[in-house]
Amino acid sequence: DTGVSQDPRHKITKRGQNVTFRCDPISEHNRLYWYRQTLGQGPEFLTYFQNEAQLEKSRLLSNRFSAERPKGSFSTLEIQRTEQGDSAMYLCASSLQGAYYEQYFGPGTRLTVT
Amino acid sequence: AQSVTQPDIHITVSEGASLELRCNYSYGATPYLFWYVQSPGQGLQLLLKYFSGDTLVQGIKGFEAEFKRSQSSFNLRKPSVHWSDAAEYFCAVGALGNAGKSTFGDGTTLTVKP
Repeated sequence: DTGVSQDPRHKITKRGQNVTFRCDPISEHNRLYWYRQTLGQGPEFLTYFQNEAQLEKSRLLSNRFSAERPKGSFSTLEIQRTEQGDSAMYLCASSLQGAYYEQYFGPGTRLTVT
Repeated sequence: AQSVTQPDIHITVSEGASLELRCNYSYGATPYLFWYVQSPGQGLQLLLKYFSGDTLVQGIKGFEAEFKRSQSSFNLRKPSVHWSDAAEYFCAVGALGNAGKSTFGDGTTLTVKP
């Protein structure tokens, strides 16, 4: 088990460009979560999947953000028409389904929008 | 809605001294509580968790935390801090039926003096 991985680790983009991040969860985990963390803040929930179904989205997730998990394994998070306010660390976590299973976090993707 | 407050933004302790990081939560039902540690540029590592039962929980790296329902607190402690403990620490609360997603505090940065 190699843990949760995220790619890329760092992304610098110009305002207005689209970016896509990938998350590979721990293989047997059927839940996958995306969080956003800005400087000096704790992670904020964005969305989560159970298998391939996206079951909840935070109001933080504007319509420029879309997430998919097409086969219930890896997930992608796309941001269209990036804005400077999108600069943050994007964290992915996975867990088994159930109330008593903790989340395992990946190393994150740091996005800088110039 | 659930919320977490970490009153101390930054704490400095001497190596070998004891440590206590404060966490207060707000949630109407029985919370699930977590402490995570984050080193610069890294994801979150779970130190310990409380779901039910014994209110004093032991975690990794010599950390422990005590759940006090009457005070809505879940403070993290370590009897003797090592230089490698310097990092940012996050308290988080989850809840049964909340699909496993967590609400995080804004973190406490720990500096260890030699």
